[in-house]
Amino acid sequence: QVQLQESGPGLVKPSETLSLTCTVSGGSISPFYWSWIRQSPGKGLECIGYIYYTGSTNYNPSLKSRVSMSVDTSKNQFSLKLSSVTAADTAVYYCARIYETMDVWGQGTTVTVSS
Amino acid sequence: EIVMTQSPATLSVSPGERATLSCRASPSVSNSLAWYQQKPGQAPRLLIYGASTRATGIPARFSGSGSGTEFTLTISSLQSEDFAVYYCQQYNDWPHPTFGGGTKVEIK
Repeated sequence: QVQLQESGPGLVKPSETLSLTCTVSGGSISPFYWSWIRQSPGKGLECIGYIYYTGSTNYNPSLKSRVSMSVDTSKNQFSLKLSSVTAADTAVYYCARIYETMDVWGQGTTVTVSS
Repeated sequence: EIVMTQSPATLSVSPGERATLSCRASPSVSNSLAWYQQKPGQAPRLLIYGASTRATGIPARFSGSGSGTEFTLTISSLQSEDFAVYYCQQYNDWPHPTFGGGTKVEIK
């Protein structure tokens, strides 16, 4: 069955850019939508946005100015970039497939913003 | 933004008993409502979508009901593996889905 795995640095300095990649295995990245969600004690579960396998995107308005997502169908991967991070961006970041809603999730990766 | 409110925050239940969890949406989300289960250190797991359809592999003791603004997740007979945090999520306001704050189901 489809499995997702997040990867990327666990520690990012304030004002820098957080970069994560989600690798899809056991299935194709097309023709689905794919999402990034984060979870922090202060804000609970928050949808960051999503990307279609064609590359079209839609972002949470509260993060839109700092978020960028991309997809690489040849590698069966999609990625997240979040710029100008602060301590408030410290969270567990999940990637998920969207089939009606988020039906398959990665295990999550903890990202801490600290100098 | 659609606000999802879950109650109670914590539910203490004995194994074998029924658990009833509530979720309220403001404004209405039709039947675009999902329930997730999350255990410590794990990702959320989809249980129910479309307010009442069980996801693949989900036991029949989990059932969802409701539409519009009021929803319920019922676990008919709690098993030891069911003690966890449960979240509701609306996806009617796509592409801006939102989650409730969660209900923790703990052993009484």
